Amino acid sequence: AQRVTQPEKLLSVFKGAPVELKCNYSYSGSPELFWYVQYSRQRLQLLLRHISRESIKGFTADLNKGETSFHLKKPFAQEEDSAMYYCALSVAGNQFYFGTGTSLTVIP
Amino acid sequence: DADVTQTPRNRITKTGKRIMLECSQTKGHDRMYWYRQDPGLGLRLIYYSFDVKDINKGEISDGYSVSRQAQAKFSLSLESAIPNQTALYFCATSDPRTSLLLSPYNEQFFGPGTRLTVL
Repeated sequence: AQRVTQPEKLLSVFKGAPVELKCNYSYSGSPELFWYVQYSRQRLQLLLRHISRESIKGFTADLNKGETSFHLKKPFAQEEDSAMYYCALSVAGNQFYFGTGTSLTVIP
Repeated sequence: DADVTQTPRNRITKTGKRIMLECSQTKGHDRMYWYRQDPGLGLRLIYYSFDVKDINKGEISDGYSVSRQAQAKFSLSLESAIPNQTALYFCATSDPRTSLLLSPYNEQFFGPGTRLTVL
């Protein structure tokens, strides 16, 4: 069963425009959700996690349990934000389930 | 710097051959994972290990086996490679420090990946 859904494979926005990468999850327990990012020629790395309620590189993500969503948002996109973004769900602190990823392109 | 390394970085092999992909880490983490990445499918978990005596199947373990030789080493084997195992393979580690029900430090650290092509 698909536990993490990222509906957009590709997303293009202009520099300075707001960006939102969608993520929906399916899990009946208490979810631990993460956003990972893979920049060109770099390793997959953690961007942010819901439990920390942090803002990293201007990105934020709010867990909405009612809508089972964890969308990633940034008010003003920058060219260096162009990357592949993966939403991930950790189940009971053990297995991780990743979405299919969204490739973000920020157009100058 | 503590790191996660994978060898080889690229491998081309033929159908039916046995292949081993190796992962080593100097982070001192107990938990290690193997994923494969396919276009349009994202990352899928193959196997994971919480310590040298603990091996668990992930979503797509068929056709694969693993060995946890030491805390620092976790190998993935394809006993008889087939073309649909062509993919990018990632190793990852984590060091969750549980706090009651949650694991606030449950971040995964990924290796650089191994690109495997099965002809």
